[in-house]
Amino acid sequence: EAQVTQNPRYLITVTGKKLTVTCSQNMNHEYMSWYRQDPGLGLRQIYYSMNVEVTDKGDVPEGYKVSRKEKRNFPLILESPSPNQTSLYFCASSPGTGAFSGNTIYFGEGSWLTVV
Amino acid sequence: AQSVSQHNHHVILSEAASLELGCNYSYGGTVNLFWYVQYPGQHLQLLLKYFSGDPLVKGIKGFEAEFIKSKFSFNLRKPSVQWSDTAEYFCAVSSYSSASKIIFGSGTRLSIRP
Repeated sequence: EAQVTQNPRYLITVTGKKLTVTCSQNMNHEYMSWYRQDPGLGLRQIYYSMNVEVTDKGDVPEGYKVSRKEKRNFPLILESPSPNQTSLYFCASSPGTGAFSGNTIYFGEGSWLTVV
Repeated sequence: AQSVSQHNHHVILSEAASLELGCNYSYGGTVNLFWYVQYPGQHLQLLLKYFSGDPLVKGIKGFEAEFIKSKFSFNLRKPSVQWSDTAEYFCAVSSYSSASKIIFGSGTRLSIRP
């Protein structure tokens, strides 16, 4: 079954404690991306990757890091989480180099992160 | 910069009522347009998309949307809603100049009274 898998799904952590949210897709997609969803703001892109070892900043990259060492994995790293990073996070993947060709974006189930 | 506006933050309808959710974008070039739906507790799923051809696009579950280039709009419609349509709906746009990015609107929460 084609899917994007994120872990953990739910996490409460403390300010400053490094954490990683993993994302894995089994569709051999080139393009992967991270979004955060906040009430009234919709989804905002954090980082994206157009292929292995190719990453770029989205609209709200501050406080986040990513890596793309393998095609299937795209972890999101919060080096020193702060309370304003409390949010719902979605990983997504798409074939090709992104959305313009009309390719559908497939989303993971979401990860609820709370930073206290 | 590109932006997507969804004017209705929360819409409440009774079953069988007709639905129209507004979406406007700000970009003058060639665009692709999408509507995604997020059912309670679930991830986003594609409802429909436009990238060329007929501006009236039909999607899953009886939804359709019309691309009106002159109005920079891509409104979502359904002639008769059901309780199961309760969800949050997101309009999104990608453009030729930023092919690797897709910009989402802030979402419209749809509540259907049974």
